[in-house]
Amino acid sequence: SQQGEEDPQALSIQEGENATMNCSYKTSINNLQWYRQNSGRGLVHLILIRSNEREKHSGRLRVTLDTSKKSSSLLITASRAADTASYFCASTDSWGKLQFGAGTQVVVTP
Amino acid sequence: EAGVAQSPRYKIIEKRQSVAFWCNPISGHATLYWYQQILGQGPKLLIQFQNNGVVDDSQLPKDRFSAERLKGVDSTLKIQPAKLEDSAVYLCASSLEAAWGTFGSGTRLTVV
Repeated sequence: SQQGEEDPQALSIQEGENATMNCSYKTSINNLQWYRQNSGRGLVHLILIRSNEREKHSGRLRVTLDTSKKSSSLLITASRAADTASYFCASTDSWGKLQFGAGTQVVVTP
Repeated sequence: EAGVAQSPRYKIIEKRQSVAFWCNPISGHATLYWYQQILGQGPKLLIQFQNNGVVDDSQLPKDRFSAERLKGVDSTLKIQPAKLEDSAVYLCASSLEAAWGTFGSGTRLTVV
């Protein structure tokens, strides 16, 4: 079974708007990662947040982690049409087991 | 740095046939993963190797799937015999300890 769930399953926004998606996980983690996937091909790593961190930024990306609630969020600010993709969260446990959620499909319209 | 190489890119087989996928991870990455991704779903971990040892294969259908990692470098994933529900993209990834995974482009398998 998948490690967690993502919410929403799909998101449609206009260019310039912010996109927020949430992820919940089930077990203890070492870190949580977010990936992007275009057209069902390989996944591209976006950002990693460690279990002792609460917030991290990378360019237009902002990730938060709440280990007490076993949840994380990804915010993409000032979205662009090129941000259209599926976004997945993935958690890593102490054994390095990397498990993915079901993903959020984001469509950004010009 | 070269990425994770996978082959073939596409494969079409009939049910009950066998198929094999190959993965060459990034040099120096001790951890290697195989995932199955069915259309519209997130990747499902099939097996995780640390060097040439198996760390986790709890979701690998062992009656038909097998995987090995030769000398802790390249890996092959085999399906024998294939079923219609095995149609998916098979993704390989590698990582350094406690770091993110770097993914290959995947092999799209269609079983007819």
